[in-house]
Amino acid sequence: NAGVMQNPRHLVRRRGQEARLRCSPMKGHSHVYWYRQLPEEGLKFMVYLQKENIIDESGMPKERFSAEFPKEGPSILRIQQVVRGDSAAYFCASSPGQLMNTEAFFGQGTRLTVV
Amino acid sequence: QKEVEQDPGPLSVPEGAIVSLNCTYSNSAFQYFMWYRQYSRKGPELLMYTYSSGNKEDGRFTAQVDKSSKYISLFIRDSQPSDSATYLCAMSEEGSYIPTFGRGTSLIVHP
Repeated sequence: NAGVMQNPRHLVRRRGQEARLRCSPMKGHSHVYWYRQLPEEGLKFMVYLQKENIIDESGMPKERFSAEFPKEGPSILRIQQVVRGDSAAYFCASSPGQLMNTEAFFGQGTRLTVV
Repeated sequence: QKEVEQDPGPLSVPEGAIVSLNCTYSNSAFQYFMWYRQYSRKGPELLMYTYSSGNKEDGRFTAQVDKSSKYISLFIRDSQPSDSATYLCAMSEEGSYIPTFGRGTSLIVHP
């Protein structure tokens, strides 16, 4: 049983380009959470999705960021018109139910560098 | 004041030492308390979780929660170089599905 798969592991984008980060949850998991990690701030919640639904996007910046979790395929975190401040490690986690506290597993992360 | 405070370290100890990692918090509604371990360039992995107050032991690891002081601890006995990692505390309210994380403490166990 493969773990949570994120790709790419490293992504370099120029300012103004789009970044697409993909997350395939563990088999049997239908809940996905995206987090951003900055060195001085720790893990910050961005968005929580179930298949085809955004449940909680209270941590998402209002502009340029969007997320989806389609019926088929991985969850996608999209960042449009990237800026230097978007450089960070982006992690997704998945869980079988609505209990991220005790049942969630994290992926290895995507490290985004904006140049 | 942040909701969850955690000293980033680094904390450097010799192999075999007892390590104490701590977090303080301000939200008295927190009921779930978790500890994650994150190796460099890897994702966090859940080590232990505790519901409400009390202690929980798992091998060399012991988690303690003192809700009256809003203080949680993770103890590592007989520390090993393989324990070198960043340890993040996380906590959430009853019924909340999104934990709040501390910024993590970097631990270095040298041989």
